[in-house]
Amino acid sequence: GAGVSQSPSNKVTEKGKDVELRCDPISGHTALYWYRQSLGQGLEFLIYFQGNSAPDKSGLPSDRFSAERTGGSVSTLTIQRTQQEDSAVYLCASSLDDIGGETQYFGPGTRLLVL
Amino acid sequence: AQSVTQPDIHITVSEGASLELRCNYSYGATPYLFWYVQSPGQGLQLLLKYFSGDTLVQGIKGFEAEFKRSQSSFNLRKPSVHWSDAAEYFCAVGSTSNTGKLIFGQGTTLQVKP
Repeated sequence: GAGVSQSPSNKVTEKGKDVELRCDPISGHTALYWYRQSLGQGLEFLIYFQGNSAPDKSGLPSDRFSAERTGGSVSTLTIQRTQQEDSAVYLCASSLDDIGGETQYFGPGTRLLVL
Repeated sequence: AQSVTQPDIHITVSEGASLELRCNYSYGATPYLFWYVQSPGQGLQLLLKYFSGDTLVQGIKGFEAEFKRSQSSFNLRKPSVHWSDAAEYFCAVGSTSNTGKLIFGQGTTLQVKP
């Protein structure tokens, strides 16, 4: 079956521009997670969704970052007025539900470069 | 606060040699623990996980890990490494807030010598 997919695979943008990153979770998975992987910071949690609600947004680094999920499926992570420090790989994961211990399945990531 | 420490940033082993990757965690209760592997340009793949029961956990690709509560450790082992095991390995702990979010260690890069 299809795994988690993310688009685009790579994104190069200029400082100050807005970007949208998309995640398609595994069908039937109610929980969806966004993580960021950057040099020096490792893998950091950003936000998670249970259905269309985001009970935990604690990892979003600033108010320039936002995310939504519609129809309990696709999620979009938006970064406004990008900065060079936003350059990273953005990973999305989904799981059957948000119970601790549930396996998260990761997508290949979107590599973002802000010039 | 929860945290995960992987003391070794980079490890090199010869093909056929045994491997142990270290992971220490900080957590107030019985943790959910995971090992993921990331090959270059790929997403993370789950190797194994622990959340109760037998403290020796078997995973995919011949890997195993042992949960030791007294040492707050969850080290990953493999008896004989293959060249295809070269990758980055991440240890993670599940959040106390029961949201399912994972807190990752900094990762260990494994290089395999022929």
